[in-house]
Amino acid sequence: RKEVEQDPGPFNVPEGATVAFNCTYSNSASQSFFWYRQDCRKEPKLLMSVYSSGNEDGRFTAQLNRASQYISLLIRDSKLSDSATYLCVVFEPEGGKLIFGQGTELSVKP
Amino acid sequence: GAVVSQHPSWVICKSGTSVKIECRSLDFQATTMFWYRQFPKQSLMLMATSNEGSKATYEQGVEKDKFLINHASLTLSTLTVTSAHPEDSSFYICSARTRRTDTDTQYFGPGTRLTVL
Repeated sequence: RKEVEQDPGPFNVPEGATVAFNCTYSNSASQSFFWYRQDCRKEPKLLMSVYSSGNEDGRFTAQLNRASQYISLLIRDSKLSDSATYLCVVFEPEGGKLIFGQGTELSVKP
Repeated sequence: GAVVSQHPSWVICKSGTSVKIECRSLDFQATTMFWYRQFPKQSLMLMATSNEGSKATYEQGVEKDKFLINHASLTLSTLTVTSAHPEDSSFYICSARTRRTDTDTQYFGPGTRLTVL
């Protein structure tokens, strides 16, 4: 079983749509959780951290369910510029490492 | 602040040659640097973790004699791909962490795209 698993992509949505990404992780000792965005041929960039209470940043909402070891990202009112690959990332304190999911590709069409 | 650079941004080399990639923290001291590799349509896979002044810790399945890592100063780490082969063609990304930030915070370089002919 992969340490961090994400929805298979790609997601093709029209502008203005709402899209949700899911992610599960296997290590219950994981402490911190993030969503990163990666554009084609670029490095990943931190989109937002994910907290147990849920957090929102503009059109983006992230949720964490520790009991189910499940993380989600909701994007409302999709923009063309949201087209990218979204990476679910988990921090494992034992090795001090970030573990990346394989990413879900999002393509927002006019 | 917290800028990480990589050089070169892309490189093409012949099979059997060695390639050195530099990772620099420009405005902070990086106590720990990480090297990742990413194949097309796949996730970032951690190759090794290096702490300044000590030997790198390699992930399972990564050949330490093939991927030489040197972290000689608090602002520079290098990855040398020795005797490169076409299967080593990939996107190599470094990241850096400073003692002052949370341990889960890493600053990523822009990546180096290696193509081995």
